Amino acid sequence: EIVLTQSPGTLSLSPGERATLSCRASQSVSSSYLAWYQQKPGQAPRLLIYGASNRVTDIPDRFSGSGSGTDFTLTISRLEPEDFVVYYCQQSGTFGQGTKLEI
Amino acid sequence: QVQLVQSGSVLKKPGASVKVSCEASGYSFTSHSMNWVRQAPGQGPEWMGWIDTNTGNPTYVPGFTGRFVFSLDTSASTAYLEIHSLKAEDTAVYYCSRDRWDHWGQGTLVTVSS
Repeated sequence: EIVLTQSPGTLSLSPGERATLSCRASQSVSSSYLAWYQQKPGQAPRLLIYGASNRVTDIPDRFSGSGSGTDFTLTISRLEPEDFVVYYCQQSGTFGQGTKLEI
Repeated sequence: QVQLVQSGSVLKKPGASVKVSCEASGYSFTSHSMNWVRQAPGQGPEWMGWIDTNTGNPTYVPGFTGRFVFSLDTSASTAYLEIHSLKAEDTAVYYCSRDRWDHWGQGTLVTVSS
């Protein structure tokens, strides 16, 4: 069973700054099935990135994904106030525990 | 447009059963399998498994076998999640999501309390 470990658990930044969120898999995984989600309070998770680096239509280009093997990264280039929520990585169904982005 | 609309929140007593529905529209229902996800209060999402909407064959992730049942009514483009012998720890929001994870239902809060 693959375990996804996200770090940090909480990331404190300010609007306009750059955020780098990490997702590490317990063994090498296919990039094709690595996804990132954003979840706002009271809402379902929203798919941001699929296939490790492909941005979903309508997702702002300040969101980008990268990585391969066991190490993957979600980068938010210039934080907007609405970006301060929780982010999850996922590999073939299994979710990481999440990173909370706070001001 | 693709929509997944789930049934409303419910309050159940321990030992009871609950059936959550997920009605799909805006696409061919049998062309995409359906996932079910549990999210306990303050926790991350947990993938429970999926159901092949073409064959009706369910697949359950370890930890979600026995009391959990996925089913379909293809004539109504609806997927169902049934949970038997409810326990307090089943209290969570349950989501359906299409196989590509690009569309999700709004979630159904199931509260188990005496």
